[in-house]
Amino acid sequence: QKEVEQDPGPLSVPEGAIVSLNCTYSNSAFQYFMWYRQYSRKGPELLMYTYSSGNKEDGRFTAQVDKSSKYISLFIRDSQPSDSATYLCAKGSNDYKLSFGAGTTVTVRA
Amino acid sequence: GAGVSQSPSNKVTEKGKDVELRCDPISGHTALYWYRQSLGQGLEFLIYFQGNSAPDKSGLPSDRFSAERTGGSVSTLTIQRTQQEDSAVYLCASSLNTGTGSGYTFGSGTRLTVV
Repeated sequence: QKEVEQDPGPLSVPEGAIVSLNCTYSNSAFQYFMWYRQYSRKGPELLMYTYSSGNKEDGRFTAQVDKSSKYISLFIRDSQPSDSATYLCAKGSNDYKLSFGAGTTVTVRA
Repeated sequence: GAGVSQSPSNKVTEKGKDVELRCDPISGHTALYWYRQSLGQGLEFLIYFQGNSAPDKSGLPSDRFSAERTGGSVSTLTIQRTQQEDSAVYLCASSLNTGTGSGYTFGSGTRLTVV
């Protein structure tokens, strides 16, 4: 079993919709969590990171962690075509290694 | 530099040939990482450098893979006798210290195709 599981999608939404992305994890150690965004033929770029349970907001993006159920989520409000990308969740495996989900490909239709 | 630079951006090689992939991390970043991204797969950890030392090379798939880092800066990932299953995007990342809690900065990757 992979340490981080993520539904690969793909996910297609109309412009302005809320995008909801989810991951589950299995190892409770090193509980820091990240979301990366990856455009086609580019490297992943850090979007959000969080340590604690609850919500963290940054503009149109909200990262949510539920440690009791080992569930992490990313919500994108008022989605734009420029949000079309692959979104990768990641969790610390130790103090230097990250475990990544497989990534969810999102398309926002104009 | 301003970001993590990788070269070449694309590489097509014949099965059995050796390839070298280069990574220039952000200046001052002591930690450097190599990951591999295969189609439909998440990022797979290959190796971690702290300075010029590699405390964890557990992710290297076989002894055909090796990596080195010199001067605490540039790193080279070498794949000998390439196989078709080596086809993937090889991503390099760096961070100021270890990645604890702050994430890495990735390069754009080298897309390797073995034919």
